[in-house]
Amino acid sequence: EAGVAQSPRYKIIEKRQSVAFWCNPISGHATLYWYQQILGQGPKLLIQFQNNGVVDDSQLPKDRFSAERLKGVDSTLKIQPAKLEDSAVYLCASSLVRAPGQGRNEQFFGPGTRLTVL
Amino acid sequence: DAKTTQPPSMDCAEGRAANLPCNHSTISGNEYVYWYRQIHSQGPQYIIHGLKNNETNEMASLIITEDRKSSTLILPHATLRDTAVYYCIAETGANNLFFGTGTRLTVIP
Repeated sequence: EAGVAQSPRYKIIEKRQSVAFWCNPISGHATLYWYQQILGQGPKLLIQFQNNGVVDDSQLPKDRFSAERLKGVDSTLKIQPAKLEDSAVYLCASSLVRAPGQGRNEQFFGPGTRLTVL
Repeated sequence: DAKTTQPPSMDCAEGRAANLPCNHSTISGNEYVYWYRQIHSQGPQYIIHGLKNNETNEMASLIITEDRKSSTLILPHATLRDTAVYYCIAETGANNLFFGTGTRLTVIP
């Protein structure tokens, strides 16, 4: 079974530039997540989609970050313009839809995109 | 979601059991305890979860105290490949996982 795919794996940009990350979840997984992981910290949820609708984007800095999941499959996360503090690994994860408290919340993570902002 | 507290780092000799503690004193009755781990340069990976009862799978065992205020993840025979950051997470039914800073486990040959 193919896992979560992300590209690019690495990206270096200068501050104030724009960047986009792409994620292809596991086939059949309706829920998709984007996390930001700063060095030395655990992943922080940025946005959660179910199919092509946003479930939670409370932690997404909406003045510069945007995300979409057209057709409920692939997703793109964009930063425009980037700041130095955006340097991090951006992780995409997907999971099956589950009713609250039912079954296990197993999220499958991709390898991440390491972003360096200079 | 309840906050969890874990030691920042631990060492374990190869072949011995690794016991990783987690405190979640404010956990509520419907919050599950999840464990994930993150090997260097990879995304986190699910290990195990539980609510009240102890759980065991092919990777690990999870021991939850009767008052549910703490738990221990046990890797019965640690190998070098178990070197990773281990996250203990208290999760409600919202499908969200709040990762803290975890415990960095180093398995020593």
